[in-house]
Amino acid sequence: DAMVIQNPRYQVTQFGKPVTLSCSQTLNHNVMYWYQQKSSQAPKLLFHYYDKDFNNEADTPDNFQSRRPNTSFCFLDIRSPGLGDAAMYLCATKGANTEAFFGQGTRLTVV
Amino acid sequence: QQQVKQSPQSLIVQKGGISIINCAYENTAFDYFPWYQQFPGKGPALLIAIRPDVSEKKEGRFTISFNKSAKQFSLHIMDSQPGDSATYFCAAKQAGGTSYGKLTFGQGTILTVHP
Repeated sequence: DAMVIQNPRYQVTQFGKPVTLSCSQTLNHNVMYWYQQKSSQAPKLLFHYYDKDFNNEADTPDNFQSRRPNTSFCFLDIRSPGLGDAAMYLCATKGANTEAFFGQGTRLTVV
Repeated sequence: QQQVKQSPQSLIVQKGGISIINCAYENTAFDYFPWYQQFPGKGPALLIAIRPDVSEKKEGRFTISFNKSAKQFSLHIMDSQPGDSATYFCAAKQAGGTSYGKLTFGQGTILTVHP
């Protein structure tokens, strides 16, 4: 079965300490997305890749970076997490019947 | 113009009843309208989707009604079950350009189905 796998499922990091979240996909699709979802809110697109072509949303803070070393893997780097960055981070790719096939997310807590 | 407005914010329905969630949009360049279901602590999962050349699509107990002229679409859940209790998001995708399938989400509706 096609899958989007996010690791870890839960991540606790200290205020200001860099953290990396990872995502892998088995669909081998050239598009990958990172969304941020805060409590009781809709997912908000941070950036997306088309192959290695990186596209940043205009309102995505510089504190958020991403790497995509190959088609299957994508990383979200938060350089200096603040308390306001606590959220669920969702990775997604295009599926056979959907524009966005989501992983289970990584719940980030900043202490 | 990129917004998708969703209502109601929360909905309580009795088991067996019909749940109706509505969305409205402004951008006529949207060409794909999915609904996502999200359980607590999980990622959103595609429930059903429609394109604007169709006025209705039904999959099991779930139906999307689409009104292109009014720029509105809605999700109907027939015979609602307690297991349907979740947050539902409507979304819309803009055709072409560099959007690469970027979705604009509605604000979400928390559905509670009482047994």
